[in-house]
Amino acid sequence: EPEVTQTPSHQVTQMGQEVILRCVPISNHLYFYWYRQILGQKVEFLVSFYNNEISEKSEIFDDQFSVERPDGSNFTLKIRSTKLEDSAMYFCASSDTGFSNQPQHFGDGTRLSIL
Amino acid sequence: GEDVEQSLFLSVREGDSSVINCTYTDSSSTYLYWYKQEPGAGLQLLTYIFSNMDMKQDQRLTVLLNKKDKHLSLRIADTQTGDSAIYFCAESRTDNYGQNFVFGPGTRLSVLP
Repeated sequence: EPEVTQTPSHQVTQMGQEVILRCVPISNHLYFYWYRQILGQKVEFLVSFYNNEISEKSEIFDDQFSVERPDGSNFTLKIRSTKLEDSAMYFCASSDTGFSNQPQHFGDGTRLSIL
Repeated sequence: GEDVEQSLFLSVREGDSSVINCTYTDSSSTYLYWYKQEPGAGLQLLTYIFSNMDMKQDQRLTVLLNKKDKHLSLRIADTQTGDSAIYFCAESRTDNYGQNFVFGPGTRLSVLP
């Protein structure tokens, strides 16, 4: 069964450094998402992306964050100047359409640790 | 904002049934989902239900939906140790920009031998 893959599985970065988290969504999916889960807390929506532009973003997704689909397969989340509070598990998801009857398929996540 | 709520912990004995409850607030949500997260792993889609249904069964899993009370439950029959995980309820909200999921805090299910 096709799946969403994320790399790396664990990223350790010094505070203030830039980090890029990578995702390969399911190949025929058109909608892409990033979520964040701080340790012990709920999964929070960050951003959705369709047709090479951001469809929707939450208040968490501030100017430090950006997303890109640099080629036909990768979907990346960049954090420009990381802060301690960016430490979390970051999940990428994709769906076939933007409608509620299409489930979002999630990757295994990237654990980001900011030192 | 509007929240999805779940009890945080549930312990059951192996072989018993588990019932994980969830309440949601957005009456416009059309689909409600259950995801499972094992330690160190991602979110695995278990099942989902359309809001005009009141029950959906899939092998050991039964989803019950009370739309009037905005209450959703996931019943796992014959719970096994491999069912130990965190279970997230999520409601799908669609607006002009597409779909986004609002997750509950997750219920940690512990299955005791």
